[in-house]
Amino acid sequence: GAVVSQHPSWVICKSGTSVKIECRSLDFQATTMFWYRQFPKQSLMLMATSNEGSKATYEQGVEKDKFLINHASLTLSTLTVTSAHPEDSSFYICSAKGSYETQYFGPGTRLLVL
Amino acid sequence: GEDVEQSLFLSVREGDSSVINCTYTDSSSTYLYWYKQEPGAGLQLLTYIFSNMDMKQDQRLTVLLNKKDKHLSLRIADTQTGDSAIYFCAESKTSGTYKYIFGTGTRLKVLA
Repeated sequence: GAVVSQHPSWVICKSGTSVKIECRSLDFQATTMFWYRQFPKQSLMLMATSNEGSKATYEQGVEKDKFLINHASLTLSTLTVTSAHPEDSSFYICSAKGSYETQYFGPGTRLLVL
Repeated sequence: GEDVEQSLFLSVREGDSSVINCTYTDSSSTYLYWYKQEPGAGLQLLTYIFSNMDMKQDQRLTVLLNKKDKHLSLRIADTQTGDSAIYFCAESKTSGTYKYIFGTGTRLKVLA
């Protein structure tokens, strides 16, 4: 149980395009989903917290207009990187939390912006 | 403060025990977690401990919590080459958004 998927696992795009990443909880309802960013050999940095049906809460320094988050259902959250640039290249990981405190993580999405 | 510190690197021989340490500063944390990350992958939950516990054992894994010193450790018995990965500790709070504060990560290398 407690499986979280992400799609796509890899994406390469040109600078200026937008990229959408999906995060799904496959066997439980996720009241809260989290989006993280991880640079090579570094820890995870929380970008935003999203609750189903409400606006996401962004961490300090994360541009909400740049990283659009939608949590339209209890099993799906999406992160859209708008007008991506090379400095947005990173490993993006989502996690989902159900009734209890534990977060279950997706496998991550590696984004490369050329 | 909310810093969670870990040593960066640990190397052990196959069959030995590994001990990964974590220190945190926020005494209000309720649950503390250990996650494993293999190269290019997401985080796998290994185990967790509630803040009112001192120890938790789960097969080869033993978690020790010293709340007075704000120190958490993960012991892996009979370490195998498949245990080579990065290990993150994380603390969460029951109030608000249940955010995690992650440690800096410890890279464990198991030598055959």
